[in-house]
Amino acid sequence: EDQVTQSPEALRLQEGESSSLNCSYTVSGLRGLFWYRQDPGKGPEFLFTLYSAGEEKEKERLKATLTKKESFLHITAPKPEDSATYLCAVRGGATNKLIFGTGTLLAVQP
Amino acid sequence: EAGVVQSPRYKIIEKKQPVAFWCNPISGHNTLYWYRQNLGQGPELLIRYENEEAVDDSQLPKDRFSAERLKGVDSTLKIQPAELGDSAVYLCASSLGQKETQYFGPGTRLLVL
Repeated sequence: EDQVTQSPEALRLQEGESSSLNCSYTVSGLRGLFWYRQDPGKGPEFLFTLYSAGEEKEKERLKATLTKKESFLHITAPKPEDSATYLCAVRGGATNKLIFGTGTLLAVQP
Repeated sequence: EAGVVQSPRYKIIEKKQPVAFWCNPISGHNTLYWYRQNLGQGPELLIRYENEEAVDDSQLPKDRFSAERLKGVDSTLKIQPAELGDSAVYLCASSLGQKETQYFGPGTRLLVL
């Protein structure tokens, strides 16, 4: 069964304190791993898509990496405005639909 | 470019009442999705449309939920009758095609009392 597990469930950082969020996945035939950001009361906002092991993508203070079993979202020198829930999703398997994890709630304190 | 539009943003109803949600996807996006997101969980797919055809509705509770996308553009999701467990955020998303990135609307927050 296709599955996505995100850790930690919640993370509190001081402004400027770099860290990483983890997304472990099990899927037959990965056709993309997606990272979304979700602010309270809003829909998920697309950040990155990764397709193959070794691939990396960057956007401002965020960098996403992918291996055959997991993905990391690295946050460098975070700011309070980076506070949000970060969702990971995979597409693949028999249905080819997006399977989401439960997210990591990130709080960055000034 | 306008994003995915959803209305209403909030809805409070009594159980056993009907409710409907509306979604207008990004212009030119042929694929439209309805998701349900429970508190503290990720979105779960209810139904996917390719143009006006529902091609994946395996997770849609068909005894009380229905959806339509008559002209292949905007879509309506209906619940009748609503139950307490239907309280959730209903998200609409769209993409150029099934293999393309999905872009989400702001969601409709439903509370069933």
